This record gives sequence, C-alpha cells and structure tokens, in this order.
Amino acid sequence: DAGVIQSPRHEVTEMGQEVTLRCKPISGHDYLFWYRQTMMRGLELLIYFNNNVPIDDSGMPEDRFSAKMPNASFSTLKIQPSEPRDSAVYFCASGTTNYEQYFGPGTRLTVT
Amino acid sequence: AQSVAQPEDQVNVAEGNPLTVKCTYSVSGNPYLFWYVQYPNRGLQFLLKYITGDNLVKGSYGFEAEFNKSQTSFHLKKPSALVSDSALYFCAVRASGYSTLTFGKGTMLLVSP
Repeated sequence: DAGVIQSPRHEVTEMGQEVTLRCKPISGHDYLFWYRQTMMRGLELLIYFNNNVPIDDSGMPEDRFSAKMPNASFSTLKIQPSEPRDSAVYFCASGTTNYEQYFGPGTRLTVT
Repeated sequence: AQSVAQPEDQVNVAEGNPLTVKCTYSVSGNPYLFWYVQYPNRGLQFLLKYITGDNLVKGSYGFEAEFNKSQTSFHLKKPSALVSDSALYFCAVRASGYSTLTFGKGTMLLVSP
C-alpha cells in the first residue's frame, strides 16, 4: 500500500484566496483525521470522520474551514478565505480505529 | 479531560548511550498510550502503544516504553542511541470515554556522533 497520500505537498497562496487540501486514506481504513501543526500550538486535531461521516469537528478553528469526505477514498480540507495565520503544516491520517493512526506526509501551507 | 505532558523540549544524548524521553499523562480511567516519531518534512510514524497487559512495551527500531500507573508516566527508552534516532517524538493518550488522541507538544531528540 502507498500509505496516506496528500496533495499538494506545498502550497503558497495570497491572503483571501481559497485553498483546498486533498487526502487519500489507506484502503480499508474507516477513520480519517485532519490535523494542523504549528510551532506555537503543536499538533491540533481539526476534524475526524468515521465511515465518511464527520464525527467531531470541534477543532475546526472557524467557519472559514470546512472538510468533506464524499467517499471512502477521498477527503478535502478547504479554507476560504485564507489568512496568514492559517500558515501551517496540515496532516491527514487514517486508521482502522480512532486511536491508531497512520499519517500522510503533510501539506505545508504558506499564506502571504 | 485527558492531557499529556512532555516536560523536555529537547533531549541531547551521545551515540551509544541510553536515552529516555519523558511523558506523563492525566486521564480518568484506563489510558491508551502511544509514542510517535516525526522525521524532518515527514508525517508522524507510529512507534509503539500500551493498551493493557505487560507494563513494558517494545516497539519499532529498538524503542521501548514503560507504563507506570502510580506515576502516570509512559517514558520512551532505548538502550543504545543512534544518530539516526534524531527526530521529534510525540507522546499521545486516549482515555475511555474519549474518541480521539491527545498529543503532547513533542520532544526533540538529538543524538550526537
């Protein structure tokens, strides 16, 4: 298996633009997680899905952030409009349980 | 609530020496405990876990961790450090009644030749 796949690996955009991050989980994994990592705040859980259904989105910072999982093999995290403080590394992870997780390589987002 | 603390931002050790990366936790009930490692520009990789059973857990790359319920600790250890062990290490906890992991801030391990 190729592991969790994320795209793009790097994204540079201007403030106010829409950003879409993509994730393909490991086949057969029922759980999918989106995390954000910054130096200041460490690793934060944004949202997680079970069987394509959002279970807990309490970590989503504000209405500018949204996440979808239209099928078992694809998820998106969208930021609209983006702000400089959204600059971070965004990780997608998947697993067969809600505690044993396999992480993707991350998307480094820079908002100028 | 569930929380985990990694009291050291950085641990320095010479190659060949034993290493310890500390982790303490706070939960209600029985904890599930995990260690993950992150190499530069990579995602987190699972190292080992404690769910139940033997307090000494062995994981990948020669690492092990000891669950100590009375001290609420789950320290990561390795008998002989390698330069290639240099990375960022995260401790994580999940308690019964919670559905997700809570990660610590991470500890940077630097192994010098």
